[in-house]
Amino acid sequence: GAGVSQSPSNKVTEKGKDVELRCDPISGHTALYWYRQSLGQGLEFLIYFQGNSAPDKSGLPSDRFSAERTGGSVSTLTIQRTQQEDSAVYLCASSLDSGGRGYTFGSGTRLTVV
Amino acid sequence: AQSVTQPDIHITVSEGASLELRCNYSYGATPYLFWYVQSPGQGLQLLLKYFSGDTLVQGIKGFEAEFKRSQSSFNLRKPSVHWSDAAEYFCAVGGMYSGGGADGLTFGKGTHLIIQP
Repeated sequence: GAGVSQSPSNKVTEKGKDVELRCDPISGHTALYWYRQSLGQGLEFLIYFQGNSAPDKSGLPSDRFSAERTGGSVSTLTIQRTQQEDSAVYLCASSLDSGGRGYTFGSGTRLTVV
Repeated sequence: AQSVTQPDIHITVSEGASLELRCNYSYGATPYLFWYVQSPGQGLQLLLKYFSGDTLVQGIKGFEAEFKRSQSSFNLRKPSVHWSDAAEYFCAVGGMYSGGGADGLTFGKGTHLIIQP
């Protein structure tokens, strides 16, 4: 597509429920990144995919967080048993390669856990 | 570990006045440096980036930034701001070797720019 698409744009969920956040990167972009943006923490790097593989998952905040990418395209970030501290904007970005020369960000998913 | 400091949380500038947003970084190797802008409810848009070469880089929307290695700084400037420049501005650093890939980019906390009429 023309840009990075994220869905849903807003999600309100009850504490303890699971949520899935979706990112559709720019066509042909092999690298995909997830960030979390919250008021106290700024922008926090979560995970990076090169193709379908994520070399390092240590940036994920806890084992309730997981992410996958299939077909070198769409990625899903799943948060299990959501907690209130998970409330944040989750941003996805993609780039042509992993050279880090600047990515294109999506508009984000605003997650609110009540 | 790499880090980015944006010392000004808020800056207020009159429309038509000049602007400088400060950014200091810490990185153990040659850095890649970026400025992003975020309008309310939007994602981040890349304004400009520095990898190597000329230390004064030009970006979109009339912005420029200067890389000063001796000061570990990458300040963003604009000669004359417009009301539409009101937004959140983020400085970020990535690595020549990590390339921002495996480690991602490290962002500053952001500077909120307010434009007075």
